[in-house]
Amino acid sequence: GNSVTQMEGPVTLSEEAFLTINCTYTATGYPSLFWYVQYPGEGLQLLLKATKADDKGSNKGFEATYRKETTSFHLEKGSVQVSDSAVYFCALSEKAAGNKLTFGGGTRVLVKP
Amino acid sequence: DTGVSQDPRHKITKRGQNVTFRCDPISEHNRLYWYRQTLGQGPEFLTYFQNEAQLEKSRLLSNRFSAERPKGSFSTLEIQRTEQGDSAMYLCASSFRQGGTDTQYFGPGTRLTVL
Repeated sequence: GNSVTQMEGPVTLSEEAFLTINCTYTATGYPSLFWYVQYPGEGLQLLLKATKADDKGSNKGFEATYRKETTSFHLEKGSVQVSDSAVYFCALSEKAAGNKLTFGGGTRVLVKP
Repeated sequence: DTGVSQDPRHKITKRGQNVTFRCDPISEHNRLYWYRQTLGQGPEFLTYFQNEAQLEKSRLLSNRFSAERPKGSFSTLEIQRTEQGDSAMYLCASSFRQGGTDTQYFGPGTRLTVL
């Protein structure tokens, strides 16, 4: 079956530091890949997505590239802010599986001023 | 606000009681999904609907759980004879199925605590 593995947190950074959260996946077909973010006390929000190999998703300074050869979708941001403190979830969906999302366990990121 | 809404936001119940949650999707979205999220974990798929048809149920959804979407708009998730292990955040998401990848938008969730 499908699965998503992402690095465990918490990840603690100083403001303006570079952030990378690793995500790898296992899928039977050709999945679409997503990053969702959950800010404290709020629901899940879509951060970015990529639907095919070599696509790059980007939003709010975050980027992730769909790498089929390494089955990865690592999230990066060049200069984090305190407001980026949140839990980040990597997820995949497959059209043949009803597009239901399979999530990783989440990575908590804490940015200190 | 035209986002996904869920009601109630919090529910505390005693073991053995029945509970029902409601989800109102984004207008015109034809797909509606239910997920469960326990503390420190990622959400896990429970079931989904396309219009009023329930197309898939996870093995996580025991026979104490039932979901409906009678008119293809709002959905309800009922848990009968609740157990302490049912304590979790129940998330609803909706999307518009258009032939390719559909992007799911999530509601704020209903947090269930079973005492």
